[in-house]
Amino acid sequence: KAGVTQTPRYLIKTRGQQVTLSCSPISGHRSVSWYQQTPGQGLQFLFEYFSETQRNKGNFPGRFSGRQFSNSRSEMNVSTLELGDSALYLCASSLGQLKETQYFGPGTRLLVL
Amino acid sequence: SQELEQSPQSLIVQEGKNLTINCTSSKTLYGLYWYKQKYGEGLIFLMMLQKGGEEKSHEKITAKLDEKKQQSSLHITASQPSHAGIYLCGADTAGNQFYFGTGTSLTVIP
Repeated sequence: KAGVTQTPRYLIKTRGQQVTLSCSPISGHRSVSWYQQTPGQGLQFLFEYFSETQRNKGNFPGRFSGRQFSNSRSEMNVSTLELGDSALYLCASSLGQLKETQYFGPGTRLLVL
Repeated sequence: SQELEQSPQSLIVQEGKNLTINCTSSKTLYGLYWYKQKYGEGLIFLMMLQKGGEEKSHEKITAKLDEKKQQSSLHITASQPSHAGIYLCGADTAGNQFYFGTGTSLTVIP
């Protein structure tokens, strides 16, 4: 069974641009969560989607948004990029609501210049 | 995140030595999770603890959640180079958000 895949793996953008990251969960998984990891702030929860609905949201500005499609694939969008948005963005999928079944993708490393 | 504090921040041990990593919360934890991360990669789930006093083991790794459900420890027995990486604790809180600890970087010297 294929694992969680994230595309692209690496991305370079400039300030003010927007970016869309994609996450394909493990087949059969309906929950997708997104996290941002930076050296200064560590790993922080962005949001969680379950069956196309945002179920939980972390403390991030409205520039960060996401959505989930009927096939459970999820996208995350960041608008008006800032230098501080440079980070490793991880997504994780799980069957349902249990965090213990959460499987992580390899991440997308975003660099904002 | 300031919700979960891990200690130590980094650890360098000789192969074969035992070690302990701690994770402390100021709030009651509804679920405590331990993950391992290789630098720049995704996280690998290790263990989940829910009940106060619970203890789980997998191979040479043991995790405990204290009775008050505000602190957890991860203990590795007879460490090996394959144990090297970043260990992160994560937790569900009453606000339905998921927080991660500050991380502990482990280096095992052969």
